[in-house]
Amino acid sequence: ETGVTQSPTHLIKTRGQQVTLRCSSQSGHNTVSWYQQALGQGPQFIFQYYREEENGRGNFPPRFSGLQFPNYSSELNVNALELDDSALYLCASSPRTSGPYNEQFFGPGTRLTVL
Amino acid sequence: AQTVTQSQPEMSVQEAETVTLSCTYDTSESDYYLFWYKQPPSRQMILVIRQEAYKQQNATENRFSVNFQKAAKSFSLKISDSQLGDAAMYFCAHISNFGNEKLTFGTGTRLTIIP
Repeated sequence: ETGVTQSPTHLIKTRGQQVTLRCSSQSGHNTVSWYQQALGQGPQFIFQYYREEENGRGNFPPRFSGLQFPNYSSELNVNALELDDSALYLCASSPRTSGPYNEQFFGPGTRLTVL
Repeated sequence: AQTVTQSQPEMSVQEAETVTLSCTYDTSESDYYLFWYKQPPSRQMILVIRQEAYKQQNATENRFSVNFQKAAKSFSLKISDSQLGDAAMYFCAHISNFGNEKLTFGTGTRLTIIP
């Protein structure tokens, strides 16, 4: 069973540019969540996708957007990059079952540096 | 809004000894889950232990156990017989049992194991 994978591992961009980060969910998982982890902080929820629709969003501006594809992989897009966007971006996938809780499995993250 | 507070930025323990990491949280919901996640230097977040709020019995997973005090909104993690591989950032997290499964994390505790 393949776990959650993310690409690229590291990325350097300049202020004002746009970036796309990618996530492949674990086999059998139909839900993907994205988190931003600034240096020395805990992860902050950006948004979640379920069956290609956004299913909840954290306190992030609209320049953070996402997609989920029919194979449940996902992209995180950030426009007009700002210095504060420098962080580790984590993707987590989970199955959506009828139970009350579905464990999220995290990928290794993409380290984004904005200069 | 849900908040999770970890007041110990760093902790250290001698190998084979026991250490307790503290966490407090705030929520208006009566039904929720609490977690401890481990993030080793390789960055991939791993679930250590989970507690369901409606269960009074404290969760245990091998050397890891929690002390869940619902009225006090306290959720500490005890690691017994500490091993070198336990060295990592530990995050306390909360999830509400409805809607999207948004994890709310604390700021983390860096645990160092002294040989």
